[in-house]
Amino acid sequence: GAVVSQHPSWVICKSGTSVKIECRSLDFQATTMFWYRQFPKQSLMLMATSNEGSKATYEQGVEKDKFLINHASLTLSTLTVTSAHPEDSSFYICSASGTNRQNIQYFGAGTRLSVL
Amino acid sequence: DAKTTQPNSMESNEEEPVHLPCNHSTISGTDYIHWYRQLPSQGPEYVIHGLTSNVNNRMASLAIAEDRKSSTLILHRATLRDAAVYYCIEAQGNTPLVFGKGTRLSVIA
Repeated sequence: GAVVSQHPSWVICKSGTSVKIECRSLDFQATTMFWYRQFPKQSLMLMATSNEGSKATYEQGVEKDKFLINHASLTLSTLTVTSAHPEDSSFYICSASGTNRQNIQYFGAGTRLSVL
Repeated sequence: DAKTTQPNSMESNEEEPVHLPCNHSTISGTDYIHWYRQLPSQGPEYVIHGLTSNVNNRMASLAIAEDRKSSTLILHRATLRDAAVYYCIEAQGNTPLVFGKGTRLSVIA
């Protein structure tokens, strides 16, 4: 199947700093990528839809100024957690589907963010 | 909110078949039925999908009820590496997947 690479796999940062997470589709083009967040023992929650060349669409309750999404090319989307706080500590996961109409999604391995 | 319902957990013995059920009673005619699984500390992994007919691939089989209101993911011989949370999801077009709580499968050696 298709491969989505997510980097870094884990990051520890101090409160108030910003963290950038990259999501790359390695062998297909992705006009749309999705960003999810997962807290311990909970399911994945959609944060935003990232569209190549346009602004991201955020889910209700997700602060767009705090979670900056950039989808500058057909193979790369980035999520920047700005001024991170301990409550932002979570498992962040991206996905992409390419152009298949059946919406098979390929997921990154996830990024575990710990804010001290 | 997720539109599918699954048992919270299931248990299987190693080398035995596992049947994971899913109800999707409000599924629309154009929605595909997708199954993903998530191993601990990893992103979800695509397992299989179908529309109306039963499907087989190297990982699993998918049996879809004739009225499409339910489906069953079949792992023919469970291994310890199959221990994961399995999600059944209705999917259409290029829209984000909506994850429910899934079924946590435990495999006993």
